[in-house]
Amino acid sequence: EAGVTQSPTHLIKTRGQQATLRCSPISGHTSVYWYQQALGLGLQFLLWYDEGEERNRGNFPPRFSGRQFPNYSSELNVNALELEDSALYLCASSFPAGRHTGELFFGEGSRLTVL
Amino acid sequence: SQQGEEDPQALSIQEGENATMNCSYKTSINNLQWYRQNSGRGLVHLILIRSNEREKHSGRLRVTLDTSKKSSSLLITASRAADTASYFCATDALDNFNKFYFGSGTKLNVKP
Repeated sequence: EAGVTQSPTHLIKTRGQQATLRCSPISGHTSVYWYQQALGLGLQFLLWYDEGEERNRGNFPPRFSGRQFPNYSSELNVNALELEDSALYLCASSFPAGRHTGELFFGEGSRLTVL
Repeated sequence: SQQGEEDPQALSIQEGENATMNCSYKTSINNLQWYRQNSGRGLVHLILIRSNEREKHSGRLRVTLDTSKKSSSLLITASRAADTASYFCATDALDNFNKFYFGSGTKLNVKP
């Protein structure tokens, strides 16, 4: 069974540009979570999507946005990139809320570098 | 913030020794989980302990949870060089469903 897949693996952008990161959850998982991990730091919660809706959001500005598609894959968009947006962006998926075991399954991440 | 905080930030031990990492959090939780991250890669789930459990074992891992002190510990026994990684605790708040908070991690180095 395929795990959580993320693309691209690496992305280099300049300040002011937009970045789009993609995530495909494990088959059967409807919840997708996005986290930001700056170099050497912990994970900061960005967004949680379930059944196509944004269910919860972390303390990030509105230029961080996303969506979840009918096939449960998800996109994270970061507009007006700033240097401090450089980080590893991790996507995780889980079973629907009613069947949720608590465990998150992570992808390998997309490393965004802003120059 | 209810974010969990791991202690110590870094730990260096010899192969065969035990490694103990601690996690503290601030608010009531549904469960607490421990994850492992090899350098710059995705996280791998290790173990989950529910708020009504006090201790749990999985292979060489032992996790304890003290909800009165809002703390947890992860013990890795007979460590191996392959255990070298960062370890994170994650909490799922009672009042903020599915918003998992991760600590800043403990960087474990196991020397062969």
